[in-house]
Amino acid sequence: QKEVEQDPGPLSVPEGAIVSLNCTYSNSAFQYFMWYRQYSRKGPELLMYTYSSGNKEDGRFTAQVDKSSKYISLFIRDSQPSDSATYLCAMSAAKAGGTSYGKLTFGQGTILTVHP
Amino acid sequence: DVKVTQSSRYLVKRTGEKVFLECVQDMDHENMFWYRQDPGLGLRLIYFSYDVKMKEKGDIPEGYSVSREKKERFSLILESASTNQTSMYLCASSFPLARTGDKPLHFGNGTRLTVT
Repeated sequence: QKEVEQDPGPLSVPEGAIVSLNCTYSNSAFQYFMWYRQYSRKGPELLMYTYSSGNKEDGRFTAQVDKSSKYISLFIRDSQPSDSATYLCAMSAAKAGGTSYGKLTFGQGTILTVHP
Repeated sequence: DVKVTQSSRYLVKRTGEKVFLECVQDMDHENMFWYRQDPGLGLRLIYFSYDVKMKEKGDIPEGYSVSREKKERFSLILESASTNQTSMYLCASSFPLARTGDKPLHFGNGTRLTVT
């Protein structure tokens, strides 16, 4: 079983839809949770970054972490064609003292297409 | 803005060749990483370094080595390239993750390596 599981999709939605992307994980040591967006022929770029549990909102994007269920989500409101990309969840365990080297474990990525 | 630069976007090499992939970052980050990205498998960590001359194996180090002689530069070496090393290689850098502070893992745009 992989440490991080992500539905690869592909996911196709109409413009304006609410998109929900999810990952589950098995390692209870993960404390840092991230979502990256990757456009074709580009490196991943950070979208959201959360420490421990809770919600975080940034514009049209909301990240949720439920550590009790080992489940994280990314919601995209009012989706746009420019949101079409691969979305990667990633997570990292903390060292003693709470920091981390930043060694991330990634999900497989979900391919999202938003059509006009 | 942080810049992580990978020396080549596309590379074609023959089986058995020694291959060097170079990565340079301009933000004085302590940590640097090499990942490979394959369809259906996501990003997998090959090696990482948390200081000059320090290195640690990631999840798939076999067939690879690394060098970090200067803080800003992290090289990935394929000692004897094989066809199963055909992949997208991504370099990343960051400060140590903390509960607040700088964003984790800035990626380069990748090197697509083909081994024939």
